[in-house]
Amino acid sequence: EVQLVESGGGLVQPGESLRLSCAASGFTFSTYWMTWVRQAPGKGLEWVANIKQDGGETYYVDSVKGRFTISRDNAKNSLYVQMNSLRAEDTAVYYCAGGQSAWTSVYWGQGTLVTVSS
Amino acid sequence: DIQMTQSPSTLSASVGDRVTISCRASQSISSWLAWYQQKPGKAPKLLIYQSSSLESGVPSRFSGSGSGTEFTLTISSLQPDDFATYYCQQYNNYPLTFGGGTKVEIK
Repeated sequence: EVQLVESGGGLVQPGESLRLSCAASGFTFSTYWMTWVRQAPGKGLEWVANIKQDGGETYYVDSVKGRFTISRDNAKNSLYVQMNSLRAEDTAVYYCAGGQSAWTSVYWGQGTLVTVSS
Repeated sequence: DIQMTQSPSTLSASVGDRVTISCRASQSISSWLAWYQQKPGKAPKLLIYQSSSLESGVPSRFSGSGSGTEFTLTISSLQPDDFATYYCQQYNNYPLTFGGGTKVEIK
C-alpha cells in the first residue's frame, strides 16, 4: 500500500522557520518526482515546489523562492521542505505528492497544517 | 504565470445528471492539463492528465476534452461518490497553476 505521511506542521510566529517531512512507502520513491502543494483554509490548491528524482532539479512558485527549500533523501524515502521567514499567507495545509512525471501527482499524503500567526 | 479560470464555481446537480465543468487558460497550454477531485478533508485525487487521458482506476464516466485554452471535464452520469470539488491544473509552464475549483453539490 502506498503511503505518504507528512509531519512537522504546527503554529509558528511570523519570521520563524519550520521543516516539513514526508515519509514515503509502498512505491519506489527514488523513481518519482516529488511535489509540495498547499491549500489555505477554505481556499484552492497552490503548487509550491517540486524536485526531480535525483534531486538535481528543483522548481518553486515565486512567492516562496528564496524562503523555501525542497530536498529529498532517497536512502530514507523522505521528502522535505525547509520553510524560512514564514508569513501569515503561508498558513495552509501542506500536501506531499508524487508522480512519475514532474507535472502530475498520483500519490498524495493526508497533509499537515502550518499556521503562521502571532 | 498562466491563470486558470474554472466555471461555474458551484454546480448543483442530481444523481444521474450529466455534468460539465469548464476550465480556461490565460494562454495556450496545448493539451497539458490535468483534473483532480478533492473531497472535504481529503487529499486531491488525479482523474485525468494530458487533457483527455483517464488515470488508471478512474471510472469511465469521467472524461476530459479540449486543447489550447478551453477545456472541459464531463461526468456522464453523476454518482453519489462524485459530489466533491474539482480542480484543473496546467503544466505547460512553471509555475504549475490550478484553477479556483468547482464544487459539485447535491441538488
